[in-house]
Amino acid sequence: RKEVEQDPGPFNVPEGATVAFNCTYSNSASQSFFWYRQDCRKEPKLLMSVYSSGNEDGRFTAQLNRASQYISLLIRDSKLSDSATYLCVVNPTASGYSTLTFGKGTMLLVSP
Amino acid sequence: DARVTQTPRHKVTEMGQEVTMRCQPILGHNTVFWYRQTMMQGLELLAYFRNRAPLDDSGMPKDRFSAEMPDATLATLKIQPSEPRDSAVYFCASGLGRGRETQYFGPGTRLLVL
Repeated sequence: RKEVEQDPGPFNVPEGATVAFNCTYSNSASQSFFWYRQDCRKEPKLLMSVYSSGNEDGRFTAQLNRASQYISLLIRDSKLSDSATYLCVVNPTASGYSTLTFGKGTMLLVSP
Repeated sequence: DARVTQTPRHKVTEMGQEVTMRCQPILGHNTVFWYRQTMMQGLELLAYFRNRAPLDDSGMPKDRFSAEMPDATLATLKIQPSEPRDSAVYFCASGLGRGRETQYFGPGTRLLVL
């Protein structure tokens, strides 16, 4: 089983739609979880951290389910500028060092 | 606006040649990472340093790859000899190395080995 698995997509949605991505991770001892965003031919950038209680940042909501070992990202009211690849990221260790394991990403295409 | 810088941004070379990629981490960051990204494998961690000391380079092909941090402002990744399968985007990232701390990525070096 891969350490971090994501549906590669692409998810094609119209502007204004709500879209959700899921991600599963294999290491039950994983401590930290993140969503990164990567635009075409650019570097990955942190979108948001994922907390156990769930957290929201504007139109973006992240959830963590430790029992099922999955993470979700919900985007409401999609904008054209949301088109990108969304990387699910896990820190698999409890050591505190920020070694991150990246999923291969889910591509989102928002159309007019 | 502090950023990670990488040079060169693009590199085309022939098989067998040496390739050196450089990274300047964000000032004050004590952890530096090298990643390789391909369509097939996604982002793979090659090596990382903490306070300039190599902590893990198990993701790196040892026979041809080497990573160093000669000082706190410079990290290098060298491939010698290069092979076509090394063609990828190589990212450097830096951070403060704590559990929930984010990593900041440089723009990457796009390497094509012919």
